[in-house]
This record gives sequence, structure tokens and C-alpha cells, in this order.
Amino acid sequence: LAKTTQPISMDSYEGQEVNITCSHNNIATNDYITWYQQFPSQGPRFIIQGYKTKVTNEVASLFIPADRKSSTLSLPRVSLSDTAVYYCLLNTGFQKLVFGTGTRLLVSP
Amino acid sequence: KAGVTQTPRYLIKTRGQQVTLSCSPISGHRSVSWYQQTPGQGLQFLFEYFSETQRNKGNFPGRFSGRQFSNSRSEMNVSTLELGDSALYLCASSPTSGGMYNEQFFGPGTRLTVL
Repeated sequence: LAKTTQPISMDSYEGQEVNITCSHNNIATNDYITWYQQFPSQGPRFIIQGYKTKVTNEVASLFIPADRKSSTLSLPRVSLSDTAVYYCLLNTGFQKLVFGTGTRLLVSP
Repeated sequence: KAGVTQTPRYLIKTRGQQVTLSCSPISGHRSVSWYQQTPGQGLQFLFEYFSETQRNKGNFPGRFSGRQFSNSRSEMNVSTLELGDSALYLCASSPTSGGMYNEQFFGPGTRLTVL
């Protein structure tokens, strides 16, 4: 399965925009790029998913360049409650999600 | 609509014992997947059930097994517990098995401690 690489940790302040980039050089044609968020002692929560270009929902945007070898999750105006671990995954449509180490985002006042 | 529920939330067992964890998916969801999360290995896929059949399986020993009932509820069993089985066990459900944009909804997990 294709692997993803993302920063181990990031720091930000309330009200700032946070961009987390994920590398997936060996992405396959059928792979969708999916992001999950996880708070301590809770299960992951789906944030957003896309195949190419830009996807936006009520909580985030996902930017995917034409070559699809990377993607960027953008969180606008983060708050303290956005402190969590963010996982970038490649999803072929099967149920076997392969989680990497994720990015630990810390939002400070 | 109620979310994914898992019981029990916390469990303490000793080495050599066996344990059964339960998961009730979101109403109408037919696919249930199980994951193990540990500090060292992160989140790892165990297996997936759909319509009472195991559809996918991760790289875990045969001590880990599961089943799904006709109402889509699922159980996971671990026999001959080892210290390394201490983990947060997460269950996730989705309406179907596979397909594009197939979001999985995770439960709160069962925290298993093996002494």
C-alpha cells in the first residue's frame, strides 16, 4: 500500500490558518486522499476527502496538485479545540484504512 | 442518529485470559471494521465484516478473531492475552463496504489493559 509522510508535529495560535502537508509520491490512480482527526482517547473522525484539485467543506479545505503526489489540509482560523492528531490516508475504497503516524497539532492561546 | 457504541469502555485482564469486545454500528450501517491503537504501532487495521462475512483482514495473529451478527453488531475476541495486547480497540462502521467517499465512523473505543 502506498505510504504517506507528514510532519510529526506543528504549533499554531488561535485564529491562525494551519496548513498540514502530506506527501504520497507513490499514490495509485484509484487512491482517494482522506484526512481524519483524532482527540486523545477518542476514535478518529473523518474530516475531508478528495481526488484532485480542491475540496472544501464546513471545517476544512483540501488542496491537491495535478500530480497528486502531495496534498495540503487547510484549517482556517484554528481554535484551542482543534488541538488533535491529524492523519492523512490513501483510501482505495476498501475498508482497510492504513494510518500513518499523523501530525500532532498544538493550538495555543 | 446514535453513533457507534462500544462496550465495555474499559477492561482489565491478566495474561492468558480471553476477552470479547462488542460494537454496535450506526443504525443502517452494514460494515464494521476493527482497529488496534497502541503508542508504539499506532492505528492498525484488524479486520472488517460486512453482512456477517469477513471481507478484509489485517496482519494480526489468529488469536484475534471476530464475527458479525445479522443485526450488524460485531464482536471481537482475543484469546490467550499477552501484555502487548494492551491497547485501545476501535470499531468503525460505514453504510457499505468499499466504494468511493466511504467515510468510516469510529466509536470511542475499548481500553484493554493486560496485566
